[in-house]
Amino acid sequence: DAKTTQPPSMDCAEGRAANLPCNHSTISGNEYVYWYRQIHSQGPQYIIHGLKNNETNEMASLIITEDRKSSTLILPHATLRDTAVYYCIVRGLNTGTASKLTFGTGTRLQVTL
Amino acid sequence: DTGVSQDPRHKITKRGQNVTFRCDPISEHNRLYWYRQTLGQGPEFLTYFQNEAQLEKSRLLSDRFSAERPKGSFSTLEIQRTEQGDSAMYLCASSETYRTANYGYTFGSGTRLTVV
Repeated sequence: DAKTTQPPSMDCAEGRAANLPCNHSTISGNEYVYWYRQIHSQGPQYIIHGLKNNETNEMASLIITEDRKSSTLILPHATLRDTAVYYCIVRGLNTGTASKLTFGTGTRLQVTL
Repeated sequence: DTGVSQDPRHKITKRGQNVTFRCDPISEHNRLYWYRQTLGQGPEFLTYFQNEAQLEKSRLLSDRFSAERPKGSFSTLEIQRTEQGDSAMYLCASSETYRTANYGYTFGSGTRLTVV
């Protein structure tokens, strides 16, 4: 699975949009981009995933560049409860094995008043 | 069935003792994963089951670690002769095979192990 690069930390004011970038320049054609987050003392939580089109769900939007080498997770109106570590993960589905998730160190998002 | 359950939530043990953790996945999920997470790091893959078959093990899973999933339902992770370096959060996750792409994994809240 391709390696990802994320900034170690970011701050965001409550009510503003949080834009979390991820670089995955070695992504291959059959690999998806997944985002998870981990709130303190909890297990990671699935947020969203995409292949090449932009995606939106009730939690967030995912913008993937046309060359697929980077993506941005957008939390449109961040709240204090969005304070967490956000992980960007690239994974292929047809690996023939577990399709396991490989986590990096993520971005620690701090939402402030 | 509201999610993945892990028991216990916290475990403190003396070095050299054996410990066992339990994971109850979401009932219709046939895949079950174990991860380990140390402070400041992302979760690291340990092992994976599809139904009762253990299909992949990480190099992180030393001989002191063993995992089982009898009957393809709950799973246990045992650590023998614990060492201080085993102190970590042990996370369990489950997923459906055909839905993995769309819904990802569901993680439990983990078991925090402290070896003293």
